[in-house]
Amino acid sequence: AQKVTQAQTEISVVEKEDVTLDCVYETRDTTYYLFWYKQPPSGELVFLIRRNSFDEQNEISGRYSWNFQKSTSSFNFTITASQVVDSAVYFCALSEAGSNYQLIWGAGTKLIIKP
Amino acid sequence: SAVISQKPSRDICQRGTSLTIQCQVDSQVTMMFWYRQQPGQSLTLIATANQGSEATYESGFVIDKFPISRPNLTFSTLTVSNMSPEDSSIYLCSVDLEYTGELFFGEGSRLTVL
Repeated sequence: AQKVTQAQTEISVVEKEDVTLDCVYETRDTTYYLFWYKQPPSGELVFLIRRNSFDEQNEISGRYSWNFQKSTSSFNFTITASQVVDSAVYFCALSEAGSNYQLIWGAGTKLIIKP
Repeated sequence: SAVISQKPSRDICQRGTSLTIQCQVDSQVTMMFWYRQQPGQSLTLIATANQGSEATYESGFVIDKFPISRPNLTFSTLTVSNMSPEDSSIYLCSVDLEYTGELFFGEGSRLTVL
């Protein structure tokens, strides 16, 4: 059955430290997408990235980078030189072709960046 | 991308009353979703509201409690009926533009039921 696991409930680091948020997924589908969303304290969900199952290239966007490894069914998210504004809850999610791309959400990781 | 506006952004309601949440999208979209997010929890899909068909509800959610309207391709409403304190949540409207699961969200409607 499809599933997304974010084992880290809460992470707290000091500003400027690097931090990695883990995401492990389960699917039997060969065609699927993986996502990361950010939910700051204001509550609005912000899309960060979409990755399809056929593209294992890592992606970097400024201080954000994503490591997709099908061998370990992981899609981890790293923030380099963290800033207080990065404090938020981060959700990893999965959609599959076989489920009409309905999103399956992880439980979320609350990231606290201390000044 | 899409810009999604929700009203109200927050409300405090009395037990037993009903509240209708509006969702307005700045472009025509077919696939629209209503989610609930209880305090400190992940998102739970309430229903899929595609224009031209009846809303499809997920397990645990029923039309009598959460009636949904989708009169056109840019607008939808979700009503939370006969509210109880357990309905206190953030309710989120979202759209999928490319049929991949990539969703754009409204800012959410934070509902507190006393």
